[in-house]
Amino acid sequence: GENVEQHPSTLSVQEGDSAVIKCTYSDSASNYFPWYKQELGKRPQLIIDIRSNVGEKKDQRIAVTLNKTAKHFSLHITETQPEDSAVYFCAARGGTASKLTFGTGTRLQVTL
Amino acid sequence: SAVISQKPSRDICQRGTSLTIQCQVDSQVTMMFWYRQQPGQSLTLIATANQGSEATYESGFVIDKFPISRPNLTFSTLTVSNMSPEDSSIYLCSVETGDYGYTFGSGTRLTVV
Repeated sequence: GENVEQHPSTLSVQEGDSAVIKCTYSDSASNYFPWYKQELGKRPQLIIDIRSNVGEKKDQRIAVTLNKTAKHFSLHITETQPEDSAVYFCAARGGTASKLTFGTGTRLQVTL
Repeated sequence: SAVISQKPSRDICQRGTSLTIQCQVDSQVTMMFWYRQQPGQSLTLIATANQGSEATYESGFVIDKFPISRPNLTFSTLTVSNMSPEDSSIYLCSVETGDYGYTFGSGTRLTVV
C-alpha cells in the first residue's frame, strides 16, 4: 500500500521567514496530494492541494510543488506569521483507492 | 463541501466497555472513512465504509474490535469494543465529496480509564 514520509517532524522559524515541509510517497499511481493544517484540539483543515497533472500551485502565501518522477511534494509557506503555528500533514490519494494516506506530521512554530 | 456532524465530541469510558461514534453527513456520499489519531500522532485509517457492503479494514484493525455500520449514504457508526487504555485516541470520520474533496468530522476524543 501507499507509504508517505514527511520531514521535518518539527520546524521553528522566525516570523516573516519561509517554511518548507517535504513529503515523499511510494505509490506511483497516486494522483492527489492535499496538505492539512491541524490546530490543537481541532480537526484537520485543508489548506492547499495539488493533482498529479500539475507541477505547482500557489494560493497567496502558500504553495505546493510536485515532482512525480521523484515522487515527492513540498509545502512552502512564505512570510510566516504566528497564526501559522500548527501541525501540518501531507497526504496522498492512491491511484486505485480513494483513501488518503497521511504523513507523520510537522509541528511548525513561528516565533516573534 | 459536505458538513459532518460527529457525536459524541468526547467521552471517558471504563475499560472493557464499548463506545459507538456516529457521523451524519448533510449530503449523500459513497465513501466514508474512519481514522484514529493517537496523542501527538498522525491520522491512521481504520477502515473504509461503503453503503450496502462490508467495511474494508486496514492492516492492524479488525471488525471484532471496530465494527462499522453504514446503513445509508449519509450515516455511519464506528464502535470501539472491549476498550483498553491503549484505545484512548481521537477518532475522526471523513468523507470524499467528489472532485477529490475530503471533509472531516470534528472528532471524538476518547479516554479509557
